[in-house]
Amino acid sequence: NAGVMQNPRHLVRRRGQEARLRCSPMKGHSHVYWYRQLPEEGLKFMVYLQKENIIDESGMPKERFSAEFPKEGPSILRIQQVVRGDSAAYFCASSPPSRTDTQYFGPGTRLTVL
Amino acid sequence: SQQGEEDPQALSIQEGENATMNCSYKTSINNLQWYRQNSGRGLVHLILIRSNEREKHSGRLRVTLDTSKKSSSLLITASRAADTASYFCATDYAGGTSYGKLTFGQGTILTVHP
Repeated sequence: NAGVMQNPRHLVRRRGQEARLRCSPMKGHSHVYWYRQLPEEGLKFMVYLQKENIIDESGMPKERFSAEFPKEGPSILRIQQVVRGDSAAYFCASSPPSRTDTQYFGPGTRLTVL
Repeated sequence: SQQGEEDPQALSIQEGENATMNCSYKTSINNLQWYRQNSGRGLVHLILIRSNEREKHSGRLRVTLDTSKKSSSLLITASRAADTASYFCATDYAGGTSYGKLTFGQGTILTVHP
């Protein structure tokens, strides 16, 4: 049973470009969470999704950021027109419907904006 | 100060010694969890303690929870060099829906010297 998969592991973008981060949850998990970790800080919640639904996006910046979890395929975190302040590690976590109190984290995507 | 604050910020000990990290939080919670993060890696779930529990053990780990003081401690006994990592507490806020949105602290950096 593979764990949570994230790709790419490292992503370099220039200011103004788009970044697309992918997350494949563990098999059987229908809940996906995205967190951002700035250097030397803890993780900050961004968004919680179930299949085809955004349940809570209270941690998402109002502009440039969007997330989806389609019926088929991975969850995508999309950042448009990236700025240097978007440089961070982005972690995805998943949980099964019956145990939302335990989240399994992926290895993260480290985004660097030049 | 923010939800889920750990102290100390950094802890340096010798192999074989015990390491104690503390976490304080502000709101009522469903549960509190501890995670470990090795440098540049994802998070590994260590232990979860529910709001109606006071103490929990898992191998060399011992977690306590005092809901009256809104605090928790993580004790690692007989530490090993491989325990060197950052440790984060995360709380699941009881006021919202119980879907596991986690609030992380800033973390404690533990260094265990051989």
